[in-house]
Amino acid sequence: GAGVSQTPSNKVTEKGKYVELRCDPISGHTALYWYRQSLGQGPEFLIYFQGTGAADDSGLPNDRFFAVRPEGSVSTLKIQRTERGDSAVYLCASSAGTTPQETQYFGPGTRLLVL
Amino acid sequence: AQSVSQHNHHVILSEAASLELGCNYSYGGTVNLFWYVQYPGQHLQLLLKYFSGDPLVKGIKGFEAEFIKSKFSFNLRKPSVQWSDTAEYFCAVNARTGRRALTFGSGTRLQVQP
Repeated sequence: GAGVSQTPSNKVTEKGKYVELRCDPISGHTALYWYRQSLGQGPEFLIYFQGTGAADDSGLPNDRFFAVRPEGSVSTLKIQRTERGDSAVYLCASSAGTTPQETQYFGPGTRLLVL
Repeated sequence: AQSVSQHNHHVILSEAASLELGCNYSYGGTVNLFWYVQYPGQHLQLLLKYFSGDPLVKGIKGFEAEFIKSKFSFNLRKPSVQWSDTAEYFCAVNARTGRRALTFGSGTRLQVQP
C-alpha cells in the first residue's frame, strides 16, 4: 500500500522567505508527526497531531514555525521568515493508533535549503 | 527529559562479521524502545521495537536487540552482516504512557565491505 508521501522533495529558498511543506499520511492513520533532521544528527521532534488538533507542539523551535491538519489527514508545515539555520530535512511520520507503542512510519522527507 | 546516546558513529565491518551497535537512554520512567534503519536513498523504516515482555526482541532481516533495564541499554545485534546491511541505524525512545514523540540518537553509520 501507499506509504507516507511528502512534497516537495527538495526546496531551495532565500533567507526571509515563507515556505510550506506538505505531508500525506498513510490512509486511515490518525496520528501525524513532524520531525527535523540536521546533517549528522538524528531526527528531532517538532509537533504531533491526533486527528485535527495539535496534541504536542513542544518541539517547535519558535513562533516562525506553524503546522496545520485541518481535515485530519494532510498536514502542512509552515515556516515564516526562513533563516539559514532552518536548512534541514523535514520528516513526516504517521501511525495508526492511540498509543506510544505504535510504529511511526516515516516519509522520504523534504530537504530544505535556505540560502 | 529523555536522551539517547549512540557511541559508535561509524562502524566498518567485513561481510559475515558480527555486529553490535550500542544504544543507551536516559529517562526517569518506563519506555518504549525502537531501532530504525535508513538505507542509502531510502526513508527511515522500523527494524524492531520493545515495549514489554521478553527483553530479547527479534526484528526483520535477522536483527535482534536486548533491553537491559539495569544498564538503560538497548543494543542492536546481528550475527553475520551482509553488504546490503550498509545503512544508518538510529535508536529511539518514547515514554510508555503520555508523550508520544520519539527521541532519537545521533545514528551509527554502518559500512559493510564485501
